[in-house]
Amino acid sequence: IAGITQAPTSQILAAGRRMTLRCTQDMRHNAMYWYRQDLGLGLRLIHYSNTAGTTGKGEVPDGYSVSRANTDDFPLTLASAVPSQTSVYFCASSDREETEAFFGQGTRLTVV
Amino acid sequence: GQNIDQPTEMTATEGAIVQINCTYQTSGFNGLFWYQQHAGEAPTFLSYNVLDGLEEKGRFSSFLSRSKGYSYLLLKELQMKDSASYLCAVRDSNYQLIWGAGTKLIIKP
Repeated sequence: IAGITQAPTSQILAAGRRMTLRCTQDMRHNAMYWYRQDLGLGLRLIHYSNTAGTTGKGEVPDGYSVSRANTDDFPLTLASAVPSQTSVYFCASSDREETEAFFGQGTRLTVV
Repeated sequence: GQNIDQPTEMTATEGAIVQINCTYQTSGFNGLFWYQQHAGEAPTFLSYNVLDGLEEKGRFSSFLSRSKGYSYLLLKELQMKDSASYLCAVRDSNYQLIWGAGTKLIIKP
């Protein structure tokens, strides 16, 4: 692993199903983030974690949950998927909250 | 509310110079970032400004005026590979990044 890795790269999901998007980084960064990117809109922050063991809500947290059990992993869970959660999801990390963020390759999720 | 404005799309010619503007209104300011995003790929970091003035990095330069809430990204000697979206983001008083919708830059031969 080099950098930040997301899985899966794409997924078609039936509405109502539970889904966890995985994110792993090997840069020992303290801060991690989940964004969604929709056409015509900027990246919107879903949840973030400034350090292992802590999480916080971003701009659009409803319907999503996260955990940060260790430094490297930051999974995002959709408890019961809805079509409006169709989007491209990016995980990102940064060494400190004031430095630049590095992004994973993204997960393209379609909820039908 | 917080707002980042950038043009939706710009077109330029290979070998030319293009300036992409970004204006912002945020609760606090702790730096401004520019990212490049090719279609279907992840954003990648280009530049960071926290003080007023120009930061130069090869063919790319970024300028910041905090009093005007304004930044621009200047791309020189444009190449076809520069065709991408350019994202402006401001870190607010809570150190959260607020993102613009991005400017799609189309380079023509």
